[in-house]
Amino acid sequence: GESVGLHLPTLSVQEGDNSIINCAYSNSASDYFIWYKQESGKGPQFIIDIRSNMDKRQGQRVTVLLNKTVKHLSLQIAATQPGDSAVYFCAGIGYNAGNMLTFGGGTRLMVKP
Amino acid sequence: DAGVTQSPTHLIKTRGQQVTLRCSPKSGHDTVSWYQQALGQGPQFIFQYYEEEERQRGNFPDRFSGHQFPNYSSELNVNALLLGDSALYLCASSTIRGANYGYTFGSGTRLTVV
Repeated sequence: GESVGLHLPTLSVQEGDNSIINCAYSNSASDYFIWYKQESGKGPQFIIDIRSNMDKRQGQRVTVLLNKTVKHLSLQIAATQPGDSAVYFCAGIGYNAGNMLTFGGGTRLMVKP
Repeated sequence: DAGVTQSPTHLIKTRGQQVTLRCSPKSGHDTVSWYQQALGQGPQFIFQYYEEEERQRGNFPDRFSGHQFPNYSSELNVNALLLGDSALYLCASSTIRGANYGYTFGSGTRLTVV
């Protein structure tokens, strides 16, 4: 089955700097990749997604990059703010793989004021 | 517009007991999925319900069962609780008709088995 993982368990950045969170996946069956933000005591919150046939997608202050050649996904957060402090997960979903989300282990982002 | 509602928020049970967790999906959503999230890990898929039937199941034992009601709400039941069942249980709703099966998560039920 598909597995989705992360390189760095904890990332500490200065407020105002850009953050980059990475994720590696081992199976190419996903039709979408999704980044979620999870704050303490809350469920995962959708940030941005990208179709598997795209290599870049931009949102408000966030950009997701997908490199299918090396099976790598990244989330870039511009001008990181204290409110961005949370655990970030990437997840894949495949229409022919049961339509369930397969999550990685998460990266904790800590923003220093 | 209410999002996904889960109850209770916290629960403490004794090993061997049974537990029922509840979920009300977001308005307009017809599919409910349940996930187990152990501390410090990503959520793991348990099962998914659509049209009151279990459509997909992850690698969880039969002690984990569920139900979906005609109003799309859902229950997760766990029998013969083990210490290892302690986790945050997340409910996510979506719609089959959605463009990318966009999921909305509830805040979860924190289950502690002692």
